[in-house]
Amino acid sequence: DTEVTQTPKHLVMGMTNKKSLKCEQHMGHRAMYWYKQKAKKPPELMFVYSYEKLSINESVPSRFSPECPNSSLLNLHLHALQPEDSALYLCASSQDLGGTFSYEQYFGPGTRLTVT
Amino acid sequence: AQTVTQSQPEMSVQEAETVTLSCTYDTSESDYYLFWYKQPPSRQMILVIRQEAYKQQNATENRFSVNFQKAAKSFSLKISDSQLGDAAMYFCAYRRGDDKIIFGKGTRLHILP
Repeated sequence: DTEVTQTPKHLVMGMTNKKSLKCEQHMGHRAMYWYKQKAKKPPELMFVYSYEKLSINESVPSRFSPECPNSSLLNLHLHALQPEDSALYLCASSQDLGGTFSYEQYFGPGTRLTVT
Repeated sequence: AQTVTQSQPEMSVQEAETVTLSCTYDTSESDYYLFWYKQPPSRQMILVIRQEAYKQQNATENRFSVNFQKAAKSFSLKISDSQLGDAAMYFCAYRRGDDKIIFGKGTRLHILP
């Protein structure tokens, strides 16, 4: 099973709403990632978790709050978003972060977020 | 800083023909990894092929092969016998160890029936 699942597939939220995105993998991977992808652009890294601890925060605004409750699950909590935050949010996982070796990242299908 | 450049925003190829997508990169490192990712419309991104910089032999995966020129910092993707299912956005990417992936801007590939 090389699947990363994400829910919901689509989300529309107002600027005052609080919502959460969910990502799940059952491959035993210990590294998980959140990316943001605008239309016709490459993904941009937001956060990296390694062994359930936040490893990298790419200077993401605090209105995005990641959480890794266990090794299979990754959440992204959203609060007071702006219209420019509308994008495809991708989750990915890899066996480990790696060191000199680079592990393959497996991507989920994404959540398409629209902020109104 | 490392950069990845894909100079072809869009390309088209006739079904069953061969197409080559270009990618150049800039780095001062000697050990790194290069990737081609495929992202079909409304479908998830998948890894097509990877190349370790220390390997001189070009990677191949079925109909997909790369031309890796380390000195020239060039990493092109050749798709042979193009199929309709190959239509997608293709991203060239660079990564050194556990650093973040550096993506190119992508090339949209259209397959003409």
